[in-house]
Amino acid sequence: GAVVSQHPSWVICKSGTSVKIECRSLDFQATTMFWYRQFPKQSLMLMATSNEGSKATYEQGVEKDKFLINHASLTLSTLTVTSAHPEDSSFYICSASGLADHSYEQYFGPGTRLTVT
Amino acid sequence: KQEVTQIPAALSVPEGENLVLNCSFTDSAIYNLQWFRQDPGKGLTSLLLIQSSQREQTSGRLNASLDKSSGRSTLYIAASQPGDSATYLCAVGYSTLTFGKGTMLLVSP
Repeated sequence: GAVVSQHPSWVICKSGTSVKIECRSLDFQATTMFWYRQFPKQSLMLMATSNEGSKATYEQGVEKDKFLINHASLTLSTLTVTSAHPEDSSFYICSASGLADHSYEQYFGPGTRLTVT
Repeated sequence: KQEVTQIPAALSVPEGENLVLNCSFTDSAIYNLQWFRQDPGKGLTSLLLIQSSQREQTSGRLNASLDKSSGRSTLYIAASQPGDSATYLCAVGYSTLTFGKGTMLLVSP
Protein backbone atom coordinates (compact mmCIF):
# COMPACT_ATOMS: atom_id res chain seq x y z
CA GLY A 1 0.00 0.00 0.00
CA ALA A 2 0.87 3.66 -0.26
CA VAL A 3 3.19 4.98 2.44
CA VAL A 4 3.12 8.41 4.03
CA SER A 5 5.78 9.55 6.45
CA GLN A 6 5.91 12.43 8.89
CA HIS A 7 8.88 14.13 10.48
CA PRO A 8 9.48 14.63 13.28
CA SER A 9 7.46 12.02 15.15
CA TRP A 10 7.53 14.20 18.23
CA VAL A 11 8.76 17.67 19.06
CA ILE A 12 8.94 19.86 22.14
CA CYS A 13 9.26 23.60 21.68
CA LYS A 14 9.09 26.70 23.80
CA SER A 15 6.14 29.05 23.71
CA GLY A 16 6.57 31.71 21.05
CA THR A 17 8.76 29.68 18.73
CA SER A 18 7.79 28.14 15.42
CA VAL A 19 7.93 24.49 14.47
CA LYS A 20 7.72 22.82 11.06
CA ILE A 21 6.25 19.38 10.43
CA GLU A 22 6.89 17.54 7.18
CA CYS A 23 4.59 15.10 5.43
CA ARG A 24 5.89 12.99 2.57
CA SER A 25 4.29 10.50 0.23
CA LEU A 26 7.03 7.94 -0.33
CA ASP A 27 5.79 5.86 -3.23
CA PHE A 28 3.10 7.85 -4.98
CA GLN A 29 2.36 11.35 -6.16
CA ALA A 30 -0.03 13.11 -3.82
CA THR A 31 -2.10 15.69 -5.61
CA THR A 32 -3.89 16.52 -2.37
CA MET A 33 -2.67 16.50 1.19
CA PHE A 34 -4.69 16.99 4.34
CA TRP A 35 -3.70 18.13 7.81
CA TYR A 36 -5.62 16.99 10.88
CA ARG A 37 -5.34 17.76 14.57
CA GLN A 38 -6.32 15.37 17.32
CA PHE A 39 -6.68 16.34 20.97
CA PRO A 40 -6.55 13.64 23.68
CA LYS A 41 -9.53 11.28 23.55
CA GLN A 42 -11.01 13.25 20.66
CA SER A 43 -11.40 12.41 17.02
CA LEU A 44 -9.46 13.86 14.12
CA MET A 45 -10.45 17.35 13.07
CA LEU A 46 -9.55 18.49 9.57
CA MET A 47 -7.50 21.68 9.65
CA ALA A 48 -6.81 22.28 5.98
CA THR A 49 -6.64 20.76 2.53
CA SER A 50 -3.80 21.54 0.18
CA ASN A 51 -3.40 20.84 -3.51
CA GLU A 52 0.04 20.85 -5.04
CA GLY A 53 0.97 24.29 -6.26
CA SER A 54 -2.11 25.98 -4.81
CA LYS A 55 -2.93 27.79 -1.60
CA ALA A 56 -4.36 25.64 1.15
CA THR A 57 -8.04 25.70 2.00
CA TYR A 58 -8.54 26.08 5.73
CA GLU A 59 -11.48 24.84 7.74
CA GLN A 60 -13.59 27.29 9.67
CA GLY A 61 -11.92 28.36 12.88
CA VAL A 62 -8.38 27.46 11.80
CA GLU A 63 -6.06 30.48 11.62
CA LYS A 64 -4.24 30.41 8.32
CA ASP A 65 -1.60 32.87 9.52
CA LYS A 66 -0.80 30.67 12.47
CA PHE A 67 -0.78 27.33 10.68
CA LEU A 68 1.18 27.84 7.48
CA ILE A 69 0.82 25.07 4.94
CA ASN A 70 3.04 24.62 1.91
CA HIS A 71 2.54 21.94 -0.74
CA ALA A 72 5.33 22.74 -3.14
CA SER A 73 5.74 19.30 -4.69
CA LEU A 74 3.71 16.18 -5.34
CA THR A 75 5.48 14.35 -2.52
CA LEU A 76 5.93 16.94 0.21
CA SER A 77 3.70 19.17 2.30
CA THR A 78 4.75 21.11 5.37
CA LEU A 79 2.81 22.52 8.28
CA THR A 80 4.45 25.32 10.24
CA VAL A 81 2.97 26.26 13.59
CA THR A 82 4.02 29.87 14.10
CA SER A 83 4.38 31.50 17.51
CA ALA A 84 3.31 28.28 19.19
CA HIS A 85 1.45 28.38 22.48
CA PRO A 86 0.67 25.59 24.97
CA GLU A 87 -2.87 25.30 23.60
CA ASP A 88 -1.35 24.27 20.26
CA SER A 89 -0.03 21.11 21.90
CA SER A 90 -1.69 18.28 20.05
CA PHE A 91 -1.22 15.31 17.77
CA TYR A 92 -0.93 16.43 14.15
CA ILE A 93 -1.63 13.88 11.42
CA CYS A 94 -1.31 14.34 7.69
CA SER A 95 -2.82 12.29 4.92
CA ALA A 96 -2.30 12.20 1.19
CA SER A 97 -4.35 11.13 -1.77
CA GLY A 98 -3.55 10.73 -5.42
CA LEU A 99 -6.02 10.43 -8.22
CA ALA A 100 -4.24 7.63 -9.98
CA ASP A 101 -6.83 5.07 -8.93
CA HIS A 102 -9.76 7.53 -8.77
CA SER A 103 -10.75 6.24 -5.35
CA TYR A 104 -9.95 9.41 -3.37
CA GLU A 105 -8.59 7.13 -0.69
CA GLN A 106 -6.45 8.94 1.85
CA TYR A 107 -3.28 7.41 3.20
CA PHE A 108 -2.31 8.58 6.65
CA GLY A 109 1.03 9.40 8.18
CA PRO A 110 2.06 8.19 11.65
CA GLY A 111 1.46 11.58 13.26
CA THR A 112 3.57 14.17 15.05
CA ARG A 113 3.18 14.85 18.76
CA LEU A 114 3.73 18.55 19.45
CA THR A 115 4.26 19.74 23.00
CA VAL A 116 4.62 23.46 23.63
CA THR A 117 6.07 24.39 27.00
CA LYS B 1 -22.82 19.50 7.52
CA GLN B 2 -21.90 15.84 7.77
CA GLU B 3 -22.01 14.33 11.24
CA VAL B 4 -20.64 10.91 12.08
CA THR B 5 -21.65 9.03 15.22
CA GLN B 6 -20.09 5.88 16.55
CA ILE B 7 -21.72 3.57 19.05
CA PRO B 8 -20.68 2.35 21.52
CA ALA B 9 -18.01 4.77 22.69
CA ALA B 10 -16.26 1.94 24.52
CA LEU B 11 -16.56 -1.81 24.50
CA SER B 12 -14.93 -4.51 26.60
CA VAL B 13 -15.20 -8.16 25.60
CA PRO B 14 -13.47 -11.43 26.45
CA GLU B 15 -11.20 -12.99 23.88
CA GLY B 16 -12.94 -15.06 21.23
CA GLU B 17 -16.17 -13.10 21.07
CA ASN B 18 -17.60 -11.79 17.84
CA LEU B 19 -18.48 -8.12 18.00
CA VAL B 20 -20.08 -5.33 16.00
CA LEU B 21 -19.15 -1.66 15.93
CA ASN B 22 -21.63 0.83 14.58
CA CYS B 23 -21.24 4.01 12.60
CA SER B 24 -23.99 6.34 11.40
CA PHE B 25 -23.79 9.43 9.23
CA THR B 26 -26.26 12.16 8.40
CA ASP B 27 -25.51 12.91 4.74
CA SER B 28 -25.76 9.91 2.44
CA ALA B 29 -24.05 11.72 -0.44
CA ILE B 30 -20.73 10.11 0.36
CA TYR B 31 -18.08 8.68 -1.90
CA ASN B 32 -16.10 6.58 0.51
CA LEU B 33 -16.51 5.11 3.95
CA GLN B 34 -13.39 3.97 5.73
CA TRP B 35 -12.75 2.13 8.95
CA PHE B 36 -9.47 2.81 10.71
CA ARG B 37 -7.68 1.47 13.70
CA GLN B 38 -5.68 3.72 16.01
CA ASP B 39 -3.41 2.47 18.75
CA PRO B 40 -2.67 4.83 21.67
CA GLY B 41 -0.38 7.66 20.63
CA LYS B 42 -0.11 6.34 17.09
CA GLY B 43 -1.39 7.25 13.67
CA LEU B 44 -4.17 5.60 11.73
CA THR B 45 -4.15 2.21 10.11
CA SER B 46 -6.68 1.81 7.33
CA LEU B 47 -8.70 -1.38 7.76
CA LEU B 48 -11.36 -1.30 5.09
CA LEU B 49 -12.53 1.13 2.43
CA ILE B 50 -16.05 0.87 1.01
CA GLN B 51 -16.87 2.93 -2.03
CA SER B 52 -20.40 4.25 -2.39
CA SER B 53 -21.27 1.69 -5.07
CA GLN B 54 -20.27 -1.18 -2.80
CA ARG B 55 -22.16 -2.74 0.09
CA GLU B 56 -19.42 -4.50 1.97
CA GLN B 57 -15.74 -5.30 2.18
CA THR B 58 -13.94 -8.12 3.93
CA SER B 59 -10.39 -8.51 5.14
CA GLY B 60 -9.51 -11.52 7.24
CA ARG B 61 -11.60 -11.48 10.41
CA LEU B 62 -13.05 -8.06 9.55
CA ASN B 63 -16.18 -7.37 7.58
CA ALA B 64 -17.62 -3.91 6.99
CA SER B 65 -21.01 -3.18 5.52
CA LEU B 66 -22.48 0.02 4.13
CA ASP B 67 -26.15 0.98 3.85
CA LYS B 68 -26.27 4.44 2.34
CA SER B 69 -30.05 4.67 2.42
CA SER B 70 -30.11 4.37 6.20
CA GLY B 71 -26.80 6.17 6.72
CA ARG B 72 -25.18 3.28 8.55
CA SER B 73 -22.13 1.11 8.50
CA THR B 74 -21.09 -1.74 10.72
CA LEU B 75 -17.69 -3.26 11.36
CA TYR B 76 -17.86 -6.91 12.34
CA ILE B 77 -14.86 -8.46 14.06
CA ALA B 78 -14.88 -12.22 14.31
CA ALA B 79 -13.12 -14.22 17.02
CA SER B 80 -11.67 -11.17 18.73
CA GLN B 81 -8.12 -11.26 20.07
CA PRO B 82 -6.27 -9.13 22.65
CA GLY B 83 -4.27 -7.65 19.79
CA ASP B 84 -7.49 -6.17 18.43
CA SER B 85 -7.58 -3.77 21.40
CA ALA B 86 -7.49 -0.26 19.95
CA THR B 87 -9.73 2.64 19.02
CA TYR B 88 -11.71 2.09 15.83
CA LEU B 89 -12.63 5.14 13.80
CA CYS B 90 -15.20 5.46 11.06
CA ALA B 91 -14.83 8.21 8.46
CA VAL B 92 -17.01 9.23 5.53
CA GLY B 93 -16.64 11.69 2.75
CA TYR B 94 -15.87 12.55 -0.80
CA SER B 95 -12.57 14.32 -1.21
CA THR B 96 -12.45 15.23 2.47
CA LEU B 97 -13.24 12.94 5.39
CA THR B 98 -15.38 13.49 8.45
CA PHE B 99 -14.47 11.29 11.39
CA GLY B 100 -16.52 9.88 14.20
CA LYS B 101 -15.19 9.96 17.75
CA GLY B 102 -14.36 6.30 17.68
CA THR B 103 -15.07 3.16 19.66
CA MET B 104 -12.42 2.16 22.19
CA LEU B 105 -12.23 -1.65 22.17
CA LEU B 106 -10.63 -3.73 24.88
CA VAL B 107 -10.33 -7.48 24.37
CA SER B 108 -9.26 -9.25 27.51
CA PRO B 109 -7.42 -12.60 27.50
